[in-house]
Amino acid sequence: AQSVTQLGSHVSVSEGALVLLRCNYSSSVPPYLFWYVQYPNQGLQLLLKYTSAATLVKGINGFEAEFKKSETSFHLTKPSAHMSDAAEYFCAVTFESSASKIIFGSGTRLSIRP
Amino acid sequence: NAGVTQTPKFRVLKTGQSMTLLCAQDMNHEYMYWYRQDPGMGLRLIHYSVGEGTTAKGEVPDGYNVSRLKKQNFLLGLESAAPSQTSVYFCASSLGLTGIRETQYFGPGTRLLVL
Repeated sequence: AQSVTQLGSHVSVSEGALVLLRCNYSSSVPPYLFWYVQYPNQGLQLLLKYTSAATLVKGINGFEAEFKKSETSFHLTKPSAHMSDAAEYFCAVTFESSASKIIFGSGTRLSIRP
Repeated sequence: NAGVTQTPKFRVLKTGQSMTLLCAQDMNHEYMYWYRQDPGMGLRLIHYSVGEGTTAKGEVPDGYNVSRLKKQNFLLGLESAAPSQTSVYFCASSLGLTGIRETQYFGPGTRLLVL
């Protein structure tokens, strides 16, 4: 079965520290992968997406993610956390064969300590 | 452009009552979606539409109905609300099929509490 797993429902880092949010997927067909961010009381916004071009994808606000097929992972990173990065982050996967269906992970809440 | 808007922002219902959630988009998108978001479960697709006059079931369609009479609007109806339908509901739209790498644009959400 196709699925996506986010490790850690809550991650806390200090301002200026590295941010690493983990995402693993399970699929027998090539995936398209997304990271969305949700700020409090708002809808989801696309951070970045992998569409089978470059394996290292750069997104908005200094975030990037690397697709590693051997590890079935698509972890999200940012070298230096900012207070404004505090939000909930969702990894999502879709497949060519699934048409409109996106499978979302359960989300990781990122907190930033001053 | 307003993007994707949702009405209302918050609603409290009693068990058995009915209501309709309205989603509107001004981006001329063909595809529209309704999700529900529950703690620890991410977003789950309720229904979606691939064009005016068409609708299809998603992952959790039971207890909901939808209509897409106009391209820019997608309505989600609850005929007889149940406490299990307490959730945050998000509407989204995309230009093309999500499976072919299209980005979905989300509305701000509707918080529904069913007592």
